Amino acid sequence: KNQVEQSPQSLIILEGKNCTLQCNYTVSPFSNLRWYKQDTGRGPVSLTIMTFSENTKSNGRYTATLDADTKQSSLHITASQLSDSASYICVVSARGGANNLFFGTGTRLTVIP
Amino acid sequence: DTAVSQTPKYLVTQMGNDKSIKCEQNLGHDTMYWYKQDSKKFLKIMFSYNNKELIINETVPNRFSPKSPDKAHLNLHINSLELGDSAVYFCASSQDMGPWADTQYFGPGTRLTVL
Repeated sequence: KNQVEQSPQSLIILEGKNCTLQCNYTVSPFSNLRWYKQDTGRGPVSLTIMTFSENTKSNGRYTATLDADTKQSSLHITASQLSDSASYICVVSARGGANNLFFGTGTRLTVIP
Repeated sequence: DTAVSQTPKYLVTQMGNDKSIKCEQNLGHDTMYWYKQDSKKFLKIMFSYNNKELIINETVPNRFSPKSPDKAHLNLHINSLELGDSAVYFCASSQDMGPWADTQYFGPGTRLTVL
C-alpha cells in the first residue's frame, strides 16, 4: 500500500535553533519527492523537489535529503525564524498517472522567540 | 499579480444546496488541479485536468464536477452538498501533467462549511 508518514506530528523549537523533519514512504515505483510549506490559512508552497538520483538539495536555510534505498527523506531547517512556523508536507509521486501523488499528513512546526 | 486565485475564500451553505468555487491561474500553465484538505490537514487530490485529459480520483463522489471554460480556469461544482463536504478546497496549477510535472502552485484555499 502506498503511504507517506511524517514525524514528528508537531514540533516546538526556539528561534535560532535547528530542526529536522522526517518523511518515510512506501510509494512504489518511486518518481520524485517534494517538500511543501503551508502557512496557516494559505495554500502549500513548494520548497524542493528531489528525484531518485539526488541525495541532498538546499533552498536557503532548508536542506532536504533523500535515501531512496531506505525510502526516507528529511527536511533540515537551519537557524529557524519565527516565519518558519508552518506545516511542512511531504509529497511522494509514483510513476504513472497524474493522480499518483501521495501526501503525508504534515509536521506542524512552531518557532517561539 | 496573484498566481493562482480562488473565490470565494469562505463559503457557508445549507446541506442539499449546489455551489461552485472558481479558480483562475495567470501562470500560463497547462494543468490545473483540485484538492480537498480535511480537518486533519490531510490533502487529497480530487481532479487533475488539462485541455487533453481529465483524470478523476475514483473516490470522489460524482456530485463533484470540474468545469473548465478555458485553460486559465478550472471551476469546481458541487451538487447536493453534504455535511462531510466541509473542508478547505485548494486549486493548483503546473506546467505539465503527471509525476514529473513542474512544481504545483497552490491557491489560497476556499473554506467550505456545510450546515
